[in-house]
Amino acid sequence: KNEVEQSPQNLTAQEGEFITINCSYSVGISALHWLQQHPGGGIVSLFMLSSGKKKHGRLIATINIQEKHSSLHITASHPRDSAVYICPGSNYKLTFGKGTLLTVNP
Amino acid sequence: GAVVSQHPSWVICKSGTSVKIECRSLDFQATTMFWYRQFPKQSLMLMATSNEGSKATYEQGVEKDKFLINHASLTLSTLTVTSAHPEDSSFYICSALENTEAFFGQGTRLTVV
Repeated sequence: KNEVEQSPQNLTAQEGEFITINCSYSVGISALHWLQQHPGGGIVSLFMLSSGKKKHGRLIATINIQEKHSSLHITASHPRDSAVYICPGSNYKLTFGKGTLLTVNP
Repeated sequence: GAVVSQHPSWVICKSGTSVKIECRSLDFQATTMFWYRQFPKQSLMLMATSNEGSKATYEQGVEKDKFLINHASLTLSTLTVTSAHPEDSSFYICSALENTEAFFGQGTRLTVV
């Protein structure tokens, strides 16, 4: 069983839609990262959080460490948001899932 | 935020040769760096944990004699793919921890011909 489960695995949306991506863990974590990987492979760190909620622009991330669950929300989605979103947990070394492939159509 | 610089961003090499990839933390000291590999349409897979001043810790299935890791300073870790073969063609990326936050290099796309 994977330590990290992301849902959905694939998501297609129309520009402007509100998007939610979820992460659940089977092991305890102390913190969590939300990463964005573009088709070229480059990775951008969006958030690192250990509790509560963080907001940056149109992106909002929430986490409940006790329930081992986190969500990433994108408001007013845009085609440039199209990427793979990954939520590795941080227990000394990051454990990656397969990510969520998001496609936002104009 | 902190910056991790990885070089080169892409490299093409002949089968049998060796390739060195560098990962530098530019504005912080990283006692621990991680090396990942990603095959097309697959998730990032941890290859090894690089510890400054000591031997790297390799994940199961990763050949330590083929993927040489050196972490000689607090700001530099290198990964050398020795005797590269076409099946080593992949996207390699490093990350470094500052406290508990991970920062990633830009990645290196290796093509072995």
